[in-house]
Amino acid sequence: ETGVTQTPRHLVMGMTNKKSLKCEQHLGHNAMYWYKQSAKKPLELMFVYNFKEQTENNSVPSRFSPECPNSSHLFLHLHTLQPEDSALYLCASSQQETGELFFGEGSRLTVL
Amino acid sequence: GESVGLHLPTLSVQEGDNSIINCAYSNSASDYFIWYKQESGKGPQFIIDIRSNMDKRQGQRVTVLLNKTVKHLSLQIAATQPGDSAVYFCAESVSGGYQKVTFGTGTKLQVIP
Repeated sequence: ETGVTQTPRHLVMGMTNKKSLKCEQHLGHNAMYWYKQSAKKPLELMFVYNFKEQTENNSVPSRFSPECPNSSHLFLHLHTLQPEDSALYLCASSQQETGELFFGEGSRLTVL
Repeated sequence: GESVGLHLPTLSVQEGDNSIINCAYSNSASDYFIWYKQESGKGPQFIIDIRSNMDKRQGQRVTVLLNKTVKHLSLQIAATQPGDSAVYFCAESVSGGYQKVTFGTGTKLQVIP
C-alpha cells in the first residue's frame, strides 16, 4: 500500500473509445501529477495540479484531459488515442514543501 | 537541453557484493537529487535523496554521493540482495516545492544468487 491508488491497473481500448484513469491519494498531499512511462524512455511529466489548480501542462495532446475535483482525486480522461499512447500511466502526489513524489502502481494502457 | 542520464542500462551483481549505479546530470541549477527504485509491475519508490549542500548521505544499506564539480550522482547499495533487483532511476530538480522533476532513463540491476 503506497498511499496512492490507481484504477484500473490494466486497460485496453480502441482508438475511438473514451475511458478514464483514476487516482486517489490518502496521504494528505496538496500536489498531484500524471506521468507517462514508455519502454526505454525517461518518465515524462504530463500534468501537475497544486491545490486542485493545474500548474503544469507539459505540451500534452488534447486527447488527454486531466481533471482534479479535489486534492485527493485526479483523473485522466482519454479519447481518440493513438497506438503510440500505449504506456504505463503513473500518478504521483507530493507535499509541496518537500517535493518527494509518492507514486501509485500505474495503469497499463494498451491502445489497439 | 538539460538532461539526466545513466551510464549503464543494465548492471549484474553477485548477491552479497556492493552495487554502484551512476548518473550524470547537466542542469547546473539543480539542487535536489533523488533515487527511485521501480520493481516489476510497481510504481517508482523513493529510496534516498540529497541536496546540493551535501556530498554524501547514507541510509539503510544505501549511500548517495554527489559530485557537483562533474555533475555526477551515484547510488551505492551494500550487500546487494535479490530483493534489490529492480530498475533504479536518478532524478533531479530545482527546489521550490512541487517542482518539475526530471528523470533519467533508468538502470536495471540484476542480482545473481
